[in-house]
Amino acid sequence: DAGVIQSPRHEVTEMGQEVTLRCKPISGHDYLFWYRQTMMRGLELLIYFNNNVPIDDSGMPEDRFSAKMPNASFSTLKIQPSEPRDSAVYFCASSLKRPAVAFFGQGTRLTVV
Amino acid sequence: GNSVTQMEGPVTLSEEAFLTINCTYTATGYPSLFWYVQYPGEGLQLLLKATKADDKGSNKGFEATYRKETTSFHLEKGSVQVSDSAVYFCALSDYGGSQGNLIFGKGTKLSVKP
Repeated sequence: DAGVIQSPRHEVTEMGQEVTLRCKPISGHDYLFWYRQTMMRGLELLIYFNNNVPIDDSGMPEDRFSAKMPNASFSTLKIQPSEPRDSAVYFCASSLKRPAVAFFGQGTRLTVV
Repeated sequence: GNSVTQMEGPVTLSEEAFLTINCTYTATGYPSLFWYVQYPGEGLQLLLKATKADDKGSNKGFEATYRKETTSFHLEKGSVQVSDSAVYFCALSDYGGSQGNLIFGKGTKLSVKP
C-alpha cells in the first residue's frame, strides 16, 4: 500500500478564498483523523471518522471548517472562507481499531496570505 | 477526559548521551500508549507502542515501559545519534472508552550535536 496520501502538499491562497484539502486513507482502515499542527498549539485533533461517519468534531475551530468522508477511500477538509490564522500544516491519518496505530500522510502546508 | 502531558523542549544533547523524555497520561479506560517521531518536513511515524500495563515497547534503541501505577510512559535511549534529531510525541488511544480517538502530547524537540 502507498500509505496515506494527501494533496496538495503545499497550498498558498488569499484570505477569503475556499481551500479544500484531500486525503486517501490506507485501504481497509476504518478510522480517519484530521489534525492541524502549528508552532503555537502543537498537534490538534480536528475531527475523526469511524466507518465514514464523523464521531467527534469538537476540535473543529469554527463553522468555517467542514469535513466529509463520502466513502472509505476519500476524505476532504474544507475551509471557507480562509483566514491567515488558518495557516498551518494539516495532517490526515488512518488506523484500524486494533491495533490502534495511526499512519500519517505527509501533510499539507497551508499558507493564507 | 483523556490527556497526555510530556516534557517541554527543546532538548539538546551531545552524541552518545542518555535520553529521557517524560510522558504522563490521564485516561478513563485502559489505553494503549505510543511514541511517534516526526522528522523535518515529514508526517508522524510510529516509533514504539505498548498496549497494557508493564509492557515495554522498543525500537531502534528506544524503549518505553507502560507504568499504570504512575500513569507514565517515559521514552529512553542509552546513546543518541545525530540522526535521532526530531520531534517526539507521546500519544494514547482508548477505543474502548468514551473517547475512541488518538490523543497526542505537544511534542518534544530533540537536537543531537556531534
